[in-house]
Amino acid sequence: DAGVIQSPRHEVTEMGQEVTLRCKPISGHNSLFWYRQTMMRGLELLIYFNNNVPIDDSGMPEDRFSAKMPNASFSTLKIQPSEPRDSAVYFCASRAGVGNNEQFFGPGTRLTVL
Amino acid sequence: AQRVTQPEKLLSVFKGAPVELKCNYSYSGSPELFWYVQYSRQRLQLLLRHISRESIKGFTADLNKGETSFHLKKPFAQEEDSAMYYCPGSARQLTFGSGTQLTVLP
Repeated sequence: DAGVIQSPRHEVTEMGQEVTLRCKPISGHNSLFWYRQTMMRGLELLIYFNNNVPIDDSGMPEDRFSAKMPNASFSTLKIQPSEPRDSAVYFCASRAGVGNNEQFFGPGTRLTVL
Repeated sequence: AQRVTQPEKLLSVFKGAPVELKCNYSYSGSPELFWYVQYSRQRLQLLLRHISRESIKGFTADLNKGETSFHLKKPFAQEEDSAMYYCPGSARQLTFGSGTQLTVLP
């Protein structure tokens, strides 16, 4: 297995533009997590899904952020409109199932909003 | 509230010196604790989990219920150990925080 796959690896955009980040979890894993990493706040959980259903989105900073998981092998995190303070590294992680808490992380997407 | 705290944001040691990265928790019962490591510009990866009680890359971590701690230790630090270390706690999902940036100086 290639592990968790994220695309793009780097994204540079201008303020006000829509940004879509993509994640493919490890096959067979039924939980998926989106994190944001910044120097100031460290690693913050934005949202997570169990069996494609959003369970906890309390970490989503505001309405400009949305996440979907249309099927077990794909998830998106969308920011619309983007702002410079959204610049961060966004990680996706997946987990085999409830009862096994080890998470496997993707390589991250480095987002820069100018 | 159940939480895990890493009191040091930055830690520097010299190569060959012992290193201890602190992690304190406030979970009730028997928490499931981990150490994750992130080398420069790489993905986070699991280093240790307390239930396995193993040593990885010379690192060990013992769950101390009396002190409610799960400190990460290595007797002789190497330059390649320089990285960001996270000690997430686990309830329904892992809760990460700011982590500790370890720098091993030559």
